This record gives sequence, C-alpha cells and structure tokens, in this order.
Amino acid sequence: GAGVSQTPSNKVTEKGKYVELRCDPISGHTALYWYRQSLGQGPEFLIYFQGTGAADDSGLPNDRFFAVRPEGSVSTLKIQRTERGDSAVYLCASSLMGQGNIQYFGAGTRLSVL
Amino acid sequence: QQPVQSPQAVILREGEDAVINCSSSKALYSVHWYRQKHGEAPVFLMILLKGGEQKGHEKISASFNEKKQQSSLYLTASQLSYSGTYFCGTVNTGNQFYFGTGTSLTVIP
Repeated sequence: GAGVSQTPSNKVTEKGKYVELRCDPISGHTALYWYRQSLGQGPEFLIYFQGTGAADDSGLPNDRFFAVRPEGSVSTLKIQRTERGDSAVYLCASSLMGQGNIQYFGAGTRLSVL
Repeated sequence: QQPVQSPQAVILREGEDAVINCSSSKALYSVHWYRQKHGEAPVFLMILLKGGEQKGHEKISASFNEKKQQSSLYLTASQLSYSGTYFCGTVNTGNQFYFGTGTSLTVIP
C-alpha cells in the first residue's frame, strides 16, 4: 500500500493479557516510530528505529513494553501484562531517513484494556 | 523535553486569523507542524530548519526563531477545514523528536 498500515485498528483485551500491535511502514522508509496518544493529549514518543535497530527507546514506559523490527520493515509493538492505564491509541509513523524528516502516520490502533 | 504550545485552545469565525506558538527548553535543529483531526492520524503541514526561515503553505505559514527556540504557525483567513488540533514537533540538537502539547483550533461559520 501507499501509506503506513497499522493492524488491528481496534484491540480490546483484559488486564494482564499480552498484545501485539503491528505497523507496516511506507516502502523504502528506513525510520519507524511508535507513539502513544491518550485522549486530549499529544502523541507521546515511545521508540524510534533506524533500520533494524532501535536508535532511541527512551520513551518506553517500562519493561512491559518492547518493540522489534527484525527485517527493517514491519515492526511489532509488544505489551506484556497489560494494565488499564495502557489504554490509548498507538500510532506508528515512518520517514525516509531519520529524525528531522517528515513523518507519515498510520491510522493507529486503539487499545482498550478492560 | 516536551515543547509547550500556546494557546491551548482557540475558537475562530471563518475568515479570522490565528497564531499558534511553540516553545522549547532545548536548542533546536528543526521544527515540524502537524494537524490532527478528531479520530484521525496527524498530517504533516511543514518543516522549518534552523536559520530563522519562514515558510508558507496556502494560507498557513510558519516561522522559526532558533535563538529563542520558538516557532509560530500563522493561519490567515481561516476556513472550516482548518479545524483540528495542531502540534509542533521539535528536533533538538541531540536528534530527539518530541511533539508539543497541542492547540485545539475550532473554526465556526
């Protein structure tokens, strides 16, 4: 596809469960970003990949959150032992190169932890 | 680290002008501006690099004062389609990117 694709668009889970959120960036974009956005707030940076490696993971809130990008394209954000406070929209963006470049966003995954 | 935007919210009538400000506590390399409509993803508007440049995009323009670590977004002759939440995004000299606190803009007929 032409844009950033995120799946699923909605995810409802129970407290304590494990979830995976997927991001398929624009073809050829080497940089990939994950953000979390709560209602009425701006996107909160989580992690940034340049190629296969995490160039900056300083935004991950704790060790329950983990992200991978094994082949430098698709990325998966993994959340273990979900908590109600993890409920938010998780946004993925990609850019042609690195930080400072235009970011193109996916539609997001709305995660609801009951 | 998060840039602060002002005002937090503004309501305009069609045709009126608005200015949204973005201020960072860190030295900046560049500033981005995005607009997000309710329930949608942020959409890129423009990027400004250090050097005090000013850019325009239809009736939306922006300036960047790197010495003051500030950027302003100017919306002139606002249209209903301008409604949304505007975010600045700053890249500091440590190459870290942060979105601002956001400004909700509502244009009414």
